[in-house]
Amino acid sequence: NTKITQSPRYLILGRANKSLECEQHLGHNAMYWYKQSAEKPPELMFLYNLKQLIRNETVPSRFIPECPDSSKLLLHISAVDPEDSAVYFCASSPGTINERLFFGHGTKLSVL
Amino acid sequence: QQNVQQSPESLIVPEGARTSLNCTFSDSASQYFWWYRQHSGKAPKALMSIFSNGEKEEGRFTIHLNKASLHFSLHIRDSQPSDSALYLCAVGPNYNVLYFGSGTKLTVEP
Repeated sequence: NTKITQSPRYLILGRANKSLECEQHLGHNAMYWYKQSAEKPPELMFLYNLKQLIRNETVPSRFIPECPDSSKLLLHISAVDPEDSAVYFCASSPGTINERLFFGHGTKLSVL
Repeated sequence: QQNVQQSPESLIVPEGARTSLNCTFSDSASQYFWWYRQHSGKAPKALMSIFSNGEKEEGRFTIHLNKASLHFSLHIRDSQPSDSALYLCAVGPNYNVLYFGSGTKLTVEP
């Protein structure tokens, strides 16, 4: 799905700070960050609608989202922990009521 | 918080078989019910959804929903090797806050 791009694709970190980036070219109003750990289902981290954060699930404070405009989403991670190793998916949808989610290809984060 | 369970955990079927996947949920106020499919190493992709009791068919795929029994299912007719993937059910109370089940790994053998 080239209409939602995420960077980087792979990330290997020690206890460092890093930002994940996502951009969607679908004209959608809602954007999400999901975390999928190995052998687990995706879990919602954050939901933005029209650049406003409307859902913030129980996520460690070292994860800070940012939505600079309605097509871009960032996830800033400070002092990563080994439990943060996972694939982080960005997703978008036209609105927020029973809309199909379109997922990006994900960023695979491996914490040493 | 919503508790979404799927069964079976894994399933192996021959090509051409009819496959049934199950999902139960705990919140009777749930309104939106989705099936997603995730091929190995890929992102989840939506298959289809339903939000009223009954049945909905799209091609080889059919969803059944029974809100009273807190259960919905996905049936695949004439299963193909390309259907081999992780199938995730997802339930939403409101907004697009979807709670995903742990998945059923389907393998369709040629």
